[in-house]
Amino acid sequence: GAGVSQSPSNKVTEKGKDVELRCDPISGHTALYWYRQRLGQGLEFLIYFQGNSAPDKSGLPSDRFSAERTGESVSTLTIQRTQQEDSAVYLCASSLGEGNQPQHFGDGTRLSIL
Amino acid sequence: GENVEQHPSTLSVQEGDSAVIKCTYSDSASNYFPWYKQELGKGPQLIIDIRSNVGEKKDQRIAVTLNKTAKHFSLHITETQPEDSAVYFCAAHLNYGGSQGNLIFGKGTKLSVKP
Repeated sequence: GAGVSQSPSNKVTEKGKDVELRCDPISGHTALYWYRQRLGQGLEFLIYFQGNSAPDKSGLPSDRFSAERTGESVSTLTIQRTQQEDSAVYLCASSLGEGNQPQHFGDGTRLSIL
Repeated sequence: GENVEQHPSTLSVQEGDSAVIKCTYSDSASNYFPWYKQELGKGPQLIIDIRSNVGEKKDQRIAVTLNKTAKHFSLHITETQPEDSAVYFCAAHLNYGGSQGNLIFGKGTKLSVKP
């Protein structure tokens, strides 16, 4: 079956522009997660959805970052007024439920801020 | 909060040898420990996981051990092959009544298997 799908795969934009990243989770997966991975680094948790609600937004680095999920399916991560330090790979994962369920990752969106 | 330390950061082995990667965690409430393999340009792929009620789990050439008392867990790959070359991440999941869903990741180990 289809895995987690992220788009675009690559995004280059100028500093100060807004960007929107999309994640399509595995069908039936109620939990959805966003992570950030800087070059050569580990994964940094950003936000987590259970259904359409976000019980944990603790990882969002600033108020320029926001995310939403609709229809218990697609999620979008929006970064406003992008800065060069926002350059990273943004990874999305989904799981059957919250708690100790395996998380399955997409291949990410590589974001480059010029 | 939870903190996960992973060692070594790089590991080079000869094809056919074994590779061991170790992680420690700080919060004794963590109860789920997955391992991921990440190839260049790809997302992390779950390769094995272990829950806190089990001490060891094996899947073909891959095994994971967990020592809850010492708060560390290890990945063992036997009979390594060049295609095992990748970055490996450990992670720990904190569960307070199911209200927290994120994983805390180690910084990764770059494994190189030389033919």
